[in-house]
Amino acid sequence: KQEVTQIPAALSVPEGENLVLNCSFTDSAIYNLQWFRQDPGKGLTSLLLIQSSQREQTSGRLNASLDKSSGRSTLYIAASQPGDSATYLCAVTNGGNKLVFGAGTILRVKS
Amino acid sequence: KAGVTQTPRYLIKTRGQQVTLSCSPISGHRSVSWYQQTPGQGLQFLFEYFSETQRNKGNFPGRFSGRQFSNSRSEMNVSTLELGDSALYLCASSFGTGSYNEQFFGPGTRLTVL
Repeated sequence: KQEVTQIPAALSVPEGENLVLNCSFTDSAIYNLQWFRQDPGKGLTSLLLIQSSQREQTSGRLNASLDKSSGRSTLYIAASQPGDSATYLCAVTNGGNKLVFGAGTILRVKS
Repeated sequence: KAGVTQTPRYLIKTRGQQVTLSCSPISGHRSVSWYQQTPGQGLQFLFEYFSETQRNKGNFPGRFSGRQFSNSRSEMNVSTLELGDSALYLCASSFGTGSYNEQFFGPGTRLTVL
């Protein structure tokens, strides 16, 4: 059974800092990994999709890496801004479209 | 291109009632998945429909059911509501399957059971 863990559970940083969020999964036979952002009481916004054959993906200030063999992914956020404050969720699929989610990292960027 | 839409956005029901939630996927997407989000359990997969067929089902009781129509719109139904069914219900839309397949979520339906 796939299990996804995210560390840290919460993070508070000053504006402008670069930061790394971590995600680990127990079954390395994944199809892909997606990072999402969720604002309080809202739906999920897709940030990045990494296919199982890829090592990283970049979008603006975001960079996500994937090491399938070790069951790990990191989301790097450069030059953080108060608008980046949200919960960040990592999810994997092992086939089909069933996403298995981690519990998330609550990020607060202080101005 | 319009995103995933869910109706209603908010719903208040009492124990024992039933409820139907609706999800319209992004135009051209054939897969719709449903998730339940609670503070205690996080995001849990309910089921997935693709071209009107249920392809995958999570570990939820039979009170939770769904269907998909020929236009890819999907509904989920919860019968005999319990207090523990209070949650944010999210649907996700995607084109197909495979490692390239990105999923997009709607804003959710907040269900409160009194």
